[in-house]
Amino acid sequence: LAKTTQPISMDSYEGQEVNITCSHNNIATNDYITWYQQFPSQGPRFIIQGYKTKVTNEVASLFIPADRKSSTLSLPRVSLSDTAVYYCLVGELNSGNTPLVFGKGTRLSVIA
Amino acid sequence: KAGVTQTPRYLIKTRGQQVTLSCSPISGHRSVSWYQQTPGQGLQFLFEYFSETQRNKGNFPGRFSGRQFSNSRSEMNVSTLELGDSALYLCASSPGREAWEGYTFGSGTRLTVV
Repeated sequence: LAKTTQPISMDSYEGQEVNITCSHNNIATNDYITWYQQFPSQGPRFIIQGYKTKVTNEVASLFIPADRKSSTLSLPRVSLSDTAVYYCLVGELNSGNTPLVFGKGTRLSVIA
Repeated sequence: KAGVTQTPRYLIKTRGQQVTLSCSPISGHRSVSWYQQTPGQGLQFLFEYFSETQRNKGNFPGRFSGRQFSNSRSEMNVSTLELGDSALYLCASSPGREAWEGYTFGSGTRLTVV
């Protein structure tokens, strides 16, 4: 799996847009980019996944530039309940070759 | 549809004992992965099963083992428990075939070894 680098922590006020960038310089052709969210004492929750360009769902947007060496998770108008750890994963999921590997993630704290 | 179910939710064991944790994946999912999460090491991959076969294994000692049944339910076993095995053990399921198919995690089993 391609190694990822993301900020250890971020702070934001309620109502602001939060952008978390993940660097993955060694991404392979068959790799997807997936983001998970984890609250304390719960399992990670799938947020969004993409291969290239932009993906948007009801929770977030994922921006992937043409070279795919980085990606940005965008959370619109965050609330206190968005306080969590966000993980960026890059890899060929379900390939049977490599498992899903989590890094340290980004701890987002939303302040009132 | 029902999510990933892990039992028990909490467990307290004594050093030297053994423990078995259970995971029922989402109906139709054939891949089950296990992870150990501790404050110091974060989320660490233990092993993955697909159609009753271990497809990948992480870097854990042989005291950690698992299996998957024909109905895709999975169990993991830890023998000769050590204090350092105290952790949140998470199970994740996936349909298991396509690269774009994400993983769904259960709420985990909190194991405390005393």
